[in-house]
Amino acid sequence: EPQLVESGGDSVQPGGSLRLSCIASGFTFSASAMTWVRQAPGQGLRWVSTITNYGDNTYYTDSVKGRFTIFRENSKNTLSLQMNSLRAEDTAVYFCAKSRPGTGSYELWGQGTLVTVSS
Amino acid sequence: EIVLTQSPGTLSLSPGERATLSCRASQTISSNFLAWYQQKPGQAPRLLIYTASSRAPGTPDRFSGSGSGTEFTLTISRLEPEDFAVYYCQQFGGSPRYSFGQGTKLEIK
Repeated sequence: EPQLVESGGDSVQPGGSLRLSCIASGFTFSASAMTWVRQAPGQGLRWVSTITNYGDNTYYTDSVKGRFTIFRENSKNTLSLQMNSLRAEDTAVYFCAKSRPGTGSYELWGQGTLVTVSS
Repeated sequence: EIVLTQSPGTLSLSPGERATLSCRASQTISSNFLAWYQQKPGQAPRLLIYTASSRAPGTPDRFSGSGSGTEFTLTISRLEPEDFAVYYCQQFGGSPRYSFGQGTKLEIK
């Protein structure tokens, strides 16, 4: 059964760094574009970043450009998000999601991992 | 920048009734790259509809999507108790590359 499992969420001080990971199973990871979506407490969904299947193209929402880096290791079925210079407004549950090919939608989601940025 | 505006913010209906949720885009969404998701408390979102009108595997046929250009609709023909949740629309291809609407909460009346 296809599955995504995130980890790495933690409580960190403003200005700090954190790396999130998402381990995929049950599907051909190297054939799938992957995305991070976040949801602040009590708020809606916000797209964060997307990486193409071989990692040759990456995309970011403006608020994280220059601070976050998305990357993947297809040999380990792992998606990662390196988050630097964290701000209070980065506090959210971070979901990884698998793209449904050719549709611009996300057909498989992980359970999410909580990042809290607070002093 | 494409902004997706969902209406209403909250919809109060009873089981068995028909629900109509709207998603309006500030610019035309190319190739109808518009999706709908359902999210229940404490859970990850679930893909219901992609490319405006195609049901994702496992989506019951009481859910249907329609629309094109800037106006899109998610319709639930007869509400079941498990349908009460928050629904989001999402676009691909504009600027920013992906974005979500703010959500519509469907609550039991």
